[in-house]
Amino acid sequence: TQLLEQSPQFLSIQEGENLTVYCNSSSVFSSLQWYRQEPGEGPVLLVTVVTGGEVKKLKRLTFQFGDARKDSSLHITAAQPGDTGLYLCAGGNNNDMRFGAGTRLTVKP
Amino acid sequence: NAGVTQTPKFRILKIGQSMTLQCTQDMNHNYMYWYRQDPGMGLKLIYYSVGAGITDKGEVPNGYNVSRSTTEDFPLRLELAAPSQTSVYFCASSYSNKGRTSTDTQYFGPGTRLTVL
Repeated sequence: TQLLEQSPQFLSIQEGENLTVYCNSSSVFSSLQWYRQEPGEGPVLLVTVVTGGEVKKLKRLTFQFGDARKDSSLHITAAQPGDTGLYLCAGGNNNDMRFGAGTRLTVKP
Repeated sequence: NAGVTQTPKFRILKIGQSMTLQCTQDMNHNYMYWYRQDPGMGLKLIYYSVGAGITDKGEVPNGYNVSRSTTEDFPLRLELAAPSQTSVYFCASSYSNKGRTSTDTQYFGPGTRLTVL
C-alpha cells in the first residue's frame, strides 16, 4: 500500500501570510497531483508534476516534486480567504492513484 | 456543460436498506470512477469503468456494485447498507486515449453524503 502522509492536518493563518504544506511517502511515484476541495464540493485539480525536482507555479501557488519523487510541497504566498479549503495530494504509478488525507487550510481575513 | 452531476446530495438509510447513487457526465469521458471520502482517511477508489460495459474493482469494492450501460451514466448500488458505509461519495470522470494513467485530469461531482443508521 502506497501511503501518503500530509502535514499539517490543520492550518489556520491570517490573510497575507505565507505557508507551506507537505505530502510525504516512503514510496516512489511516477506522478503527483494536488487538488483543492471546498466545503460541499468535489476536489478540483490544481497541478500535476511528473519529474523529480520539478517546480510549477500557479499564480501565488508553487508546487514542488521532490528529487526522489517521494514527496511534494505546496507553498502559498500572501494567502487570501479564497485559498481556504482542503488540499489533497495524490500519488500515482501507472494506472493506480492514492490520495492523502489532506491539509485543511483556513485563511482568516 | 454541467460536468459531473450526482444525485441525491444527502441521504439517510437504515441498516439493511438498499439504494442507488446516480452519476452522470456530459463531457463524453470514457473513464468514470466512484470514491468514498471518510474524515482523516483521504479518498478511496471503490470501482471504476473504462467505458460502457466495462467495470473493475478499486481499493474498497466490498458492499458495492456498479454498472455502465452508457458513456454518460455510472450508478453505484448499495445492496445491504451498513453503518461502515456512512461516508461522502464522489463520482469522477476523465478522458484518456492511451489507457488509464495517473496523470489524467479527473473531474469530480459535488458528492453524496450518506448516513446509515
